[in-house]
Amino acid sequence: QVQLVQSGAEVKKPGASVKVSCKASGYTFSNYAFVWVRQAPGHGLEWMGWISAYSGDTNYAQKVQGRVTMTTDTSTSTAYMELRSLTSDDTAVYYCARQLNQGAAYDYWGQGTLVTVSS
Amino acid sequence: DIQMTQSPSSLSASVGDRITITCRASQSITSYLNWYQQRPGKAPKLLIYAASSLQSGVPSRFSGSGSGTDFTLTISSLQPEDFATYYCQQGYSVPRTFGQGTKVEIK
Repeated sequence: QVQLVQSGAEVKKPGASVKVSCKASGYTFSNYAFVWVRQAPGHGLEWMGWISAYSGDTNYAQKVQGRVTMTTDTSTSTAYMELRSLTSDDTAVYYCARQLNQGAAYDYWGQGTLVTVSS
Repeated sequence: DIQMTQSPSSLSASVGDRITITCRASQSITSYLNWYQQRPGKAPKLLIYAASSLQSGVPSRFSGSGSGTDFTLTISSLQPEDFATYYCQQGYSVPRTFGQGTKVEIK
């Protein structure tokens, strides 16, 4: 069965970087794209960007453009999201999800990774 | 960016009720509209994709309709496990924006 398993919670200081991993299993990794979505405490869902696991092509939201890098490692079926120059506004649960070809819907999600930015 | 606006922001309903949530896009997104359910502390779950296609394993009491700018999610007979927050998301263009969410609470 399809599973996306994310790395554990992180606590970072302002200005630091964080790298969250998302290990996929149960399907052919390179056949699908990944998205990263975050959710600040008590808030809604925010789309951060997209990466093709086949080509490595990316597209980032303007809000995080320049601070975020999304990558994939096909040898380990793992997607990564690195966010730099963290501020308290980046405190959120970060989710990876698999993107369907139909309508860019996200059919499988990781369990979420809480990133807390605090001095 | 395409703005997605859901209404209402919250609603109270009873088990067995029929409820409808509306999502409006700031421009036409044809049928590139998806719906998700999120329970507290859990990841979102895909319910409906391409406006009206039921995701595998999702109960048939959930249905979606609409095209262009106006869409609806209907739950025909609310069950206890349906009390959650619902989000629409457009898949027409990047950035793939979400609605602000509709919280469905027990009356």
